[in-house]
Amino acid sequence: DAKTTQPNSMESNEEEPVHLPCNHSTISGTDYIHWYRQLPSQGPEYVIHGLTSNVNNRMASLAIAEDRKSSTLILHRATLRDAAVYYCILLWDSGSARQLTFGSGTQLTVLP
Amino acid sequence: NAGVTQTPKFRVLKTGQSMTLLCAQDMNHEYMYWYRQDPGMGLRLIHYSVGEGTTAKGEVPDGYNVSRLKKQNFLLGLESAAPSQTSVYFCASSYHRDTANYGYTFGSGTRLTVV
Repeated sequence: DAKTTQPNSMESNEEEPVHLPCNHSTISGTDYIHWYRQLPSQGPEYVIHGLTSNVNNRMASLAIAEDRKSSTLILHRATLRDAAVYYCILLWDSGSARQLTFGSGTQLTVLP
Repeated sequence: NAGVTQTPKFRVLKTGQSMTLLCAQDMNHEYMYWYRQDPGMGLRLIHYSVGEGTTAKGEVPDGYNVSRLKKQNFLLGLESAAPSQTSVYFCASSYHRDTANYGYTFGSGTRLTVV
């Protein structure tokens, strides 16, 4: 199974951009790159996903390397409410369902 | 609000007791999943279902059973609870087509303690 590697923790100042990196060197051609975040005492929340091209939505941007072996989640202006664990996940196909395989994620701390 | 609802939110069991966790979704999703999360760890898949009447094992299925009698409901059962099953349980659902274009919706979790 393709795995992802993320830093255990990162800090950011409020109102500044945050770049959360993820390495997935064994990614296969059909794996989608998903990002979820988990706020304290809550379930994971979908943030963004992509396959090959960079993606933008109202929450964040996703930059995918040309070789797809790494990606970066970009929060353009971090707020205190963005403090959470961010998971970079490869969506793989078991044959009957695509499943999420969670790693340990990156704990983002936003400083006021 | 549309989404995934889990009941109960909290439960304390004695070793050997049984219980059922209920997950309900109102988004007409085909796929449903049960995960567990232990302190300081990511989520691990227990069982999943690709449609009404079908279930399959995930990464850590031992000690759990599931049923999907109705499309909107996915039940997780513990027949004989053990302290090792103390965890937070999350249910999730997704569309069967173009899952990657919609992502997964998670419930808010059930915190289970087995003493």
